[in-house]
Amino acid sequence: SYVLTQPPSVSVAPRQTARITCGGNDIGSKSVHWYQQRPGQAPVLVVYDDGARPSGIPERFSGSNSRNTATLTISRVEAGDEADYHCQVWDNPTDHWVFGGGTKLTVL
Amino acid sequence: QVQLVESGGGVVQPGRSLRLSCAASGFTFSSFAMHWARQAPGKGLEWVALISYDGNNEYYADSVKGRFTISRDDSKSTLYLQMNSLGPEDTAIYYCARGSSGNFAFWAYWGQGTLVTVSS
Repeated sequence: SYVLTQPPSVSVAPRQTARITCGGNDIGSKSVHWYQQRPGQAPVLVVYDDGARPSGIPERFSGSNSRNTATLTISRVEAGDEADYHCQVWDNPTDHWVFGGGTKLTVL
Repeated sequence: QVQLVESGGGVVQPGRSLRLSCAASGFTFSSFAMHWARQAPGKGLEWVALISYDGNNEYYADSVKGRFTISRDDSKSTLYLQMNSLGPEDTAIYYCARGSSGNFAFWAYWGQGTLVTVSS
């Protein structure tokens, strides 16, 4: 089965840049989506198709995807960005959706 | 605006069944693939099932295949998840979500979830 690997936690100071990675075999050939989940709330889409942003999501959120690693980048981090972030792909060979284990972003 | 409201969660004994519902509004329900995902306490998200926009195709996670059935009633704009032979490992918040265009696109909207607890 296809596996996505995320670091359990990332810490960053306010106004700095946070980078959250999502590793997978040849993930660069897949479309990666990212969801933000604040404590006690449902997930919210923040980046889709590797690097596109839904309406209403700040430009500070961006994404990239190449070879075996996809990255969610949050620039000028704010306290309100503190949340869990989950990456997701559709795995064609198995016809399964796959989520990474999630990364807790802490704003110091 | 798009709204997804799950219901049907609760406490159920191991081996019993439960049916979850997801009432959709604010969009043409019959035009979109729909999904179920779950999140065990303190854990990450786990995909559960997908049903195509026309109901002709269903896909399941290995952990639930043969026990869970996803279905939809377009006349009621409602998505269902029939869960049989429940075990403690099925304890989780269950979310329904609406896809974007196509069956395998990103999940544009999520409901607030319903909690299922499997315990004797």
